[in-house]
Amino acid sequence: DIQMTQSPSTLSASVGDRVTITCRASQSIYTWLAWYQQKPGKAPKLLIYKASSLESGVPSRFSGSGSGTEFTLTISSLQPDDSATYFCQQYHSGGTFGQGTKVEIK
Amino acid sequence: QVQLVESGGGVVLPGRSLRLSCAASGFTFSNYAMHWVRQAPGKGLEWVAVISSDGSNKWYADSVKGRFTISRDISKNTLYMQLNSLRADDTAVYYCARGRDSGWYFVYWGQGTLVTVSS
Repeated sequence: DIQMTQSPSTLSASVGDRVTITCRASQSIYTWLAWYQQKPGKAPKLLIYKASSLESGVPSRFSGSGSGTEFTLTISSLQPDDSATYFCQQYHSGGTFGQGTKVEIK
Repeated sequence: QVQLVESGGGVVLPGRSLRLSCAASGFTFSNYAMHWVRQAPGKGLEWVAVISSDGSNKWYADSVKGRFTISRDISKNTLYMQLNSLRADDTAVYYCARGRDSGWYFVYWGQGTLVTVSS
């Protein structure tokens, strides 16, 4: 089974900061990676698919990059509405999620 | 617009069974594979099961294989999950989800239904 490891588990940043979350796969998943945002009590929302494709309607301050085993989600200028937990998911083999990164606003 | 509405959750004793439903609307249900994803309280997301568009193929996470059964009724536009031999660690919000193409990433999600396994 493919394991997904996210870092950090939590991060605290100020409005306007550039924020980066990393996701590592236990083996190559090429670019079969998605990123989701989840707010408390809500279903996850797709942000990025195929590692770097921005889902329709998602603000352009969100971007994804990477291939193989290492991937990043970047928020170019953190906004108050971005306070949430972010999950990566590989879909090269099955659909394993990372453990999540909680983003807090200072 | 695409809507997925889960139902059937509740409190159940260990070892008992439960059937979850997911009513789909706003798209041609028979054209898409459908998934169940769960989230234990305060924890991460876990993919649980998928059924192909025509219902002929099904895949399960190892953690539920042999206990859970996914099915669909195309005439009712409804996805199901039969949960048997429930354990405390099955306690979670269960979401039904749909992708956009053949990839197992999820564009559309229901609101979730909570299953609590407790004595």
